[in-house]
Amino acid sequence: GAVVSQHPSRVICKSGTSVKIECRSLDFQATTMFWYRQFPKQSLMLMATSNEGSKATYEQGVEKDKFLINHASLTLSTLTVTSAHPEDSSFYICSAFARETQYFGPGTRLLVL
Amino acid sequence: GESVGLHLPTLSVQEGDNSIINCAYSNSASDYFIWYKQESGKGPQFIIDIRSNMDKRQGQRVTVLLNKTVKHLSLQIAATQPGDSAVYFCAENNIGTSYGKLTFGQGTILTVHP
Repeated sequence: GAVVSQHPSRVICKSGTSVKIECRSLDFQATTMFWYRQFPKQSLMLMATSNEGSKATYEQGVEKDKFLINHASLTLSTLTVTSAHPEDSSFYICSAFARETQYFGPGTRLLVL
Repeated sequence: GESVGLHLPTLSVQEGDNSIINCAYSNSASDYFIWYKQESGKGPQFIIDIRSNMDKRQGQRVTVLLNKTVKHLSLQIAATQPGDSAVYFCAENNIGTSYGKLTFGQGTILTVHP
């Protein structure tokens, strides 16, 4: 299968700071990537669609000014959680399509203290 | 996607048994369905998919059944192994209107006892 990586895998930050999470497609190009959030013992919820060279589209209820998405190349999308608060602590997972199948990254565990 | 509370459905089986995991999906317009396996602390791993023009698809040790009439999806795992222990999610998509935007089900915890 295709490989999607994320960095960092885990991050701890102080409340009020910003955190950047990278999502890379390693062996294919992805014009579209997706960002999901997963709280403990819950399912994945789509946050936004990242489009290479254009603005991201956000799902209802997701604050675009808080979760900044940049998709500057065909292999990299970044999610920046701005002014993070403890309630933003979650597992953030990106995905991308390759050969008509959606592959997920390994996820980034964010803990905001 | 819909997220639910803290009590995911669970299924416990013995090694070697067959497992059946069920999923009820919500959108009658969905035309593409996928099963994912998620191990603790990892991202979802693709298992098998099926399009709405089919009612059954088989992979290696896995079979997905789709019943559009009652909006039901199931995943059958043959000869379940301890390594199959994980949380299993179904996901649905309408390719025509929201390509790639997956809506995930609540998940089922599968535990396989040696």
